[in-house]
Parts: sequence; structure tokens; C-alpha cells
Amino acid sequence: QKEVEQDPGPLSVPEGAIVSLNCTYSNSAFQYFMWYRQYSRKGPELLMYTYSSGNKEDGRFTAQVDKSSKYISLFIRDSQPSDSATYLCARITGTASKLTFGTGTRLQVTL
Amino acid sequence: DVKVTQSSRYLVKRTGEKVFLECVQDMDHENMFWYRQDPGLGLRLIYFSYDVKMKEKGDIPEGYSVSREKKERFSLILESASTNQTSMYLCASTETGGLNTEAFFGQGTRLTVV
Repeated sequence: QKEVEQDPGPLSVPEGAIVSLNCTYSNSAFQYFMWYRQYSRKGPELLMYTYSSGNKEDGRFTAQVDKSSKYISLFIRDSQPSDSATYLCARITGTASKLTFGTGTRLQVTL
Repeated sequence: DVKVTQSSRYLVKRTGEKVFLECVQDMDHENMFWYRQDPGLGLRLIYFSYDVKMKEKGDIPEGYSVSREKKERFSLILESASTNQTSMYLCASTETGGLNTEAFFGQGTRLTVV
């Protein structure tokens, strides 16, 4: 079983919609997760960091970890065409901050 | 502006060639990583380095080696390129610290082996 799994999409939504992007993870001992955003032909960039259970909000973005179901979610409110990208969830381990990624979900926000 | 720079955006190499992918970071980060990214498989860690001359295997090291002679530079070497190594290669760096340390990525090198 992969450490972090993610539906690859693609996911297409109209502008202004609420988007829900989801990952599952295999081991309940995992605690530290990140969401990265990757635009076409670019490297990934950190979007949000989250730890253990609960919610973390940053503007239109909310990251949520449900430890009981081993589920990580990223919600995007009032989605914009500029949000069109691939979203990658990742688990972090070790002092080197090694990342193990899900496959990424490609999101398209249409006008 | 922090930067991780990969030497080439696009490369085409022949089967059996020795290929060098270079990565330089200007943030004085201790840790550097090489990933490959393939459709449906996401980013997979090939090798990483936590100090000069130190290296550790990632999840898919077969067919690859690395070199880190200077702190700012991390090279990925394909000893004898094969068509199944056609992929997007991404370099990243982090500083040593807590588990919320951000990874900075280069733009990627799209390697095609023919």
C-alpha cells in the first residue's frame, strides 16, 4: 500500500465553486503533511503545511486532517481560473524533511 | 528571491549514454533531493543528500547515482540511460529544521531517452 494516495483527476469546476481535494494515508502514526501546488511546466510550490488533526486556514484555502479516517483534505473557496494546477499532498519525515508525495490531482477551473 | 536552478529544461539523449543532470541552490540549504515525476505515479524520490559528500537512496535509486562535492550543487547521474528513464526530473532543497520545513523546487528537466 502506498504511503499517500490521491485521486489523479482531472477535476473540472466552474469559477466560484468550492473545491475539495483529498488524500488518504496508510499509517496513523503519520502526523506532518503538506500541500504543494504545481503549475504546468513549473516545479511544485508549498501551499500549506498541516500537522496532526484539525483545520488550518489561509485565505481561500483550508487544510484538514482527519486522523481517525486517515484522510487529508484541501478546500478551495471561491475558486479562480488561476487555481488551475496540479495539487500534491505529501507526508514529511526526518530531519531532512523528506517528502513522500501522492500522485497529484489536476484541477481545472473554468470561466 | 530563493532559487533552485536546474541546468537544462529539456534534454534528449541516446540509449546507453551517460547523462548528468545538474542542480544548484543559492539558499545554503543542507539537504538536496532528486525526484522524478511521471503521469499516474507522481513524484518519486531517487536520492537525497543531507550534507556534502553524503547521500542516501530514496525509493527508486536503481540506474542512478549522485554526487555532492559542494554544498550548493547536487548532480544526478544516469550511468547508462535507458528509455524507461524518460521522465521529468525535479531537484529540491530544504534547510535542516523542524518538520514544517519548506522544500524549494527547480523548474524541472524533461529528459527523453531515444
